[in-house]
Amino acid sequence: QKEVEQNSGPLSVPEGAIASLNCTYSDRGSQSFFWYRQYSGKSPELIMFIYSNGDKEDGRFTAQLNKASQYVSLLIRDSQPSDSATYLCAVPRWRGGFKTIFGAGTRLFVKA
Amino acid sequence: SAVISQKPSRDICQRGTSLTIQCQVDSQVTMMFWYRQQPGQSLTLIATANQGSEATYESGFVIDKFPISRPNLTFSTLTVSNMSPEDSSIYLCSVVGSNTEAFFGQGTRLTVV
Repeated sequence: QKEVEQNSGPLSVPEGAIASLNCTYSDRGSQSFFWYRQYSGKSPELIMFIYSNGDKEDGRFTAQLNKASQYVSLLIRDSQPSDSATYLCAVPRWRGGFKTIFGAGTRLFVKA
Repeated sequence: SAVISQKPSRDICQRGTSLTIQCQVDSQVTMMFWYRQQPGQSLTLIATANQGSEATYESGFVIDKFPISRPNLTFSTLTVSNMSPEDSSIYLCSVVGSNTEAFFGQGTRLTVV
């Protein structure tokens, strides 16, 4: 089992719809969770992080965390073509030295 | 947030040669990370570079192939040695912020011919 798993997609949604991106993790002791957006040919950029169970909203983005089920999701409301990118879920790990574990990423296409 | 300057942004290299990638951070950081991202793939950690000690390499990566320097708390280099076409990839430098969030340089797109 991979430490961080995402559906690679692609996920295609029409403009204005809600895009739902999901991620599961294996380490039950994980405390913090990050979502990055990566446009083609660019570096990943942080868009959301969440530590507590429940929802965290930031503009059109909502991160949801369920530690009991070990999943974290990212909702993008009113999706725009400019949201078309790869979204990476990431979980920091301290065991054996610090590193960030990235999921494979989900490609999102928002159709105009 | 940290500002990371990475260079070169891209290069085309002959097989068998080496390329050194530089990474400069605008603040002092303990750890710097080097990733590889092959086409269509996610990020793979190559090594963690700590100032004053040897880099820690991940499984599948060795110092002879990817020597790393870390002369101070704001700078690091990654060398891709004896390159082959399989080394064609994007190489990314990264640091971690106070909330353990990752910040990345602009990346180096390497093509080996």
